[in-house]
Formats: sequence, structure tokens, C-alpha cells
Amino acid sequence: GAVVSQHPSWVICKSGTSVKIECRSLDFQATTMFWYRQFPKQSLMLMATSNEGSKATYEQGVEKDKFLINHASLTLSTLTVTSAHPEDSSFYICSARGDRVSYNEQFFGPGTRLTVL
Amino acid sequence: GQSLEQPSEVTAVEGAIVQINCTYQTSGFYGLSWYQQHDGGAPTFLSYNGLDGLEETGRFSSFLSRSDSYGYLLLQELQMKDSASYFCAVESNTGKLIFGQGTTLQVKP
Repeated sequence: GAVVSQHPSWVICKSGTSVKIECRSLDFQATTMFWYRQFPKQSLMLMATSNEGSKATYEQGVEKDKFLINHASLTLSTLTVTSAHPEDSSFYICSARGDRVSYNEQFFGPGTRLTVL
Repeated sequence: GQSLEQPSEVTAVEGAIVQINCTYQTSGFYGLSWYQQHDGGAPTFLSYNGLDGLEETGRFSSFLSRSDSYGYLLLQELQMKDSASYFCAVESNTGKLIFGQGTTLQVKP
């Protein structure tokens, strides 16, 4: 089946630093990747849609200068949380959709838990 | 905008059947998906309805009525491992998924 990985699985950083999260599709080419954020006991909130080779499309209220997304290849998208603050602590999850998988299905990565001190 | 409503919590016993409803208001509706998420884990895909009717996948079934903007997930022969959060998600015609707030299912012995 289609497998999506994320790295790191968890990260703790100091306030003001930047953190990069990688999302990789391991056995298919992901033409589109999505980034979500989930706070405890809450739903997944779509942050942005990332298409290979083009700029990401951000959802309303998501700061594009704070959450930098790069989709440099068909198997890799990165999310960089710049100048992280404690309120950015959350569970960040990516998903991928590609040409080899069902159009209607997004495959999710295992998530990255970010804690900002 | 888009909004989805589903119950916040459901409790049932092992072996029982439970139905989790989802109503939605959306523009550009393409389909309704269901995802399961265990504590600390990532969502896993359960089912998808693009057309009206029932889709069956093992112990899980999902139903959609586009005219009523309504769907449900039916879980049969409940097992303890089914205790998790269940999310309905609307897929728009742009391919985005908008998730409901989730239903926490607790299965008791």
C-alpha cells in the first residue's frame, strides 16, 4: 500500500528557533501533499496544500511566512515552523495523494509532535 | 464556508453495533470520507462515499445521502480495539479534506 513517512516523529525546541518537518511518500509519487495541525482533543485543521514545483496554497488564517512549505520533489515536502513559540506546540500531520493511489484517498503520515519551550 | 457536525462521544459494548452520524454544509462537495484515529496516532482511512448509498468494508459500512447532506459510519461487531476517534471529512472538488470535530467512541466490555 501507499506509505507516507514523517521525520522527526517528535521534536522539542526552544522558543524562537525554527523547526523543519519532512514528509515523504515512500512508494508512490505524491503530486499533492497536505499539511494539517491538530491540537489535543481537537480536529485536524488543514494548513496548506502543496503541489510539486509550485507555491503552496495556504488556508485562511495560516501565516505563510511563519509556516514555510517546500515541495521540491514528487516524494518530499517540508514544513518549516519559523521562530517557533509555545502556541505553535501541536501535532503536525502530512498527507499525500498521487497518481498511483486512489484519487479519493489521502494517505497520512504518522505525524510530528512539536513542543516549543 | 464548510461545516460538519458529528456527535462528540459515543459509548457502546463489545459485540454491539454503533452508528456515527455526520451532517455537513459545504460548497463544491465531492465526497464524504471517514477516518479512524487512535490516541497519539495518525488518521487511517476507513471508507469513502462519492455517490448516494451504502459502502461496505468488512465490519465497517458508510452511507451517504447527498440530498440530505448526511452520512453515517456503521461499526458492527464492536471490538475493544475500535475505541478511537472517528472523523468524517468532506472532500471538496479541489481535493481538500475538511474534517469534522470527531466522535470519541468508547467500547466497553
